[in-house]
Amino acid sequence: GAVVSQHPSRVICKSGTSVKIECRSLDFQATTMFWYRQFPKQSLMLMATSNEGSKATYEQGVEKDKFLINHASLTLSTLTVTSAHPEDSSFYICSAQRGDEKLFFGSGTQLSVL
Amino acid sequence: DAKTTQPNSMESNEEEPVHLPCNHSTISGTDYIHWYRQLPSQGPEYVIHGLTSNVNNRMASLAIAEDRKSSTLILHRATLRDAAVYYCILRRSQGNLIFGKGTKLSVKP
Repeated sequence: GAVVSQHPSRVICKSGTSVKIECRSLDFQATTMFWYRQFPKQSLMLMATSNEGSKATYEQGVEKDKFLINHASLTLSTLTVTSAHPEDSSFYICSAQRGDEKLFFGSGTQLSVL
Repeated sequence: DAKTTQPNSMESNEEEPVHLPCNHSTISGTDYIHWYRQLPSQGPEYVIHGLTSNVNNRMASLAIAEDRKSSTLILHRATLRDAAVYYCILRRSQGNLIFGKGTKLSVKP
């Protein structure tokens, strides 16, 4: 099956620093990628839709200046959490749209902000 | 987005079939029915999807009601590795995938 690589898998950072998370589709081109956040024992919450070569579309309530998304190529999208605070601690997951109707997900990034 | 309703949890015995129900009474004609599953601390994994006809793949089968207002994911022989949260999601073609709470499946040896 298709593979989506997400890196890093775990990151611990100090409050006020920025963290970049990468999402790569390894064996297919993805014009659209999605970013999700998941808190413990809750479902995934869609944060934004990332389209290659254009600005991301953010869901209501998600601050675009805090969660910067760049989708510069057909195989790479990045999410940068700027000036991270403890409340940003969460499990972040990306997914990539293949040409058919299937979405493939990365393995997630556990962010802990101290 | 049209919503889905799933039981919070289900239990199954190993090597027995499992039928996971999903109600989606407000489904529109262009909505695909998708199933994903998620193991703890991992990203979701694609299971199966369909539009109108029943679908089979090596992981599972998807039975779609004639009026499309409900569907059932069938795992033919549950294994311990099938224990996960299963999400039934309606999705417009190439559109967003909005997750509900899903069904937590436990498999007993």
